[in-house]
Amino acid sequence: GNSVTQMEGPVTLSEEAFLTINCTYTATGYPSLFWYVQYPGEGLQLLLKATKADDKGSNKGFEATYRKETTSFHLEKGSVQVSDSAVYFCALPSRGNNRLAFGKGNQVVVIP
Amino acid sequence: GAGVSQSPRYKVAKRGQDVALRCDPISGHVSLFWYQQALGQGPEFLTYFQNEAQLDKSGLPSDRFFAERPEGSVSTLKIQRTQQEDSAVYLCASSFQRGGGNEQFFGPGTRLTVL
Repeated sequence: GNSVTQMEGPVTLSEEAFLTINCTYTATGYPSLFWYVQYPGEGLQLLLKATKADDKGSNKGFEATYRKETTSFHLEKGSVQVSDSAVYFCALPSRGNNRLAFGKGNQVVVIP
Repeated sequence: GAGVSQSPRYKVAKRGQDVALRCDPISGHVSLFWYQQALGQGPEFLTYFQNEAQLDKSGLPSDRFFAERPEGSVSTLKIQRTQQEDSAVYLCASSFQRGGGNEQFFGPGTRLTVL
């Protein structure tokens, strides 16, 4: 089935730094792609999505572009804040569209 | 409006006990999903309901796991004879549309610890 791969390891950076989290996908066709965020003590919530190739999803200063040439959906933010500290998951529909398949997640820690 | 709620938020069970985890989806949401999230990992699919019909249970790890949604709203995930490897956070999600290809709204999860 469809799957996503996220870069290994946590990300620690200073406030106002540029953030990139890599996500590559393997899929049949061109399914929607999602970034979910999990803040400490809370459930997962949708951060942004893109429904077709070349679409750009954006929310809260975060952006990700659906690139079919590189099968990627990297998450970026130009200037992070302490409040962006969370775990970020890349996801896509899989197995007959009956589920989301998630990456392992990246913990982002923003230091003041 | 209210989001997805789950209860209990935390559950400690002795090995061999049965547990029941409850999910209240957003009212009117057709689709309901259960996921299992191990520490430091992404959620892994367990099962999917469309209204009261369980259309996919291929992710349930063993026959000790059972889920139901008898009236197409509230769902219960039951684990019989719990084992230590069942320790994880169990997430419930719902979606207004059919299938898993649309935005899913997640509850806060139930953290199960099996001693």
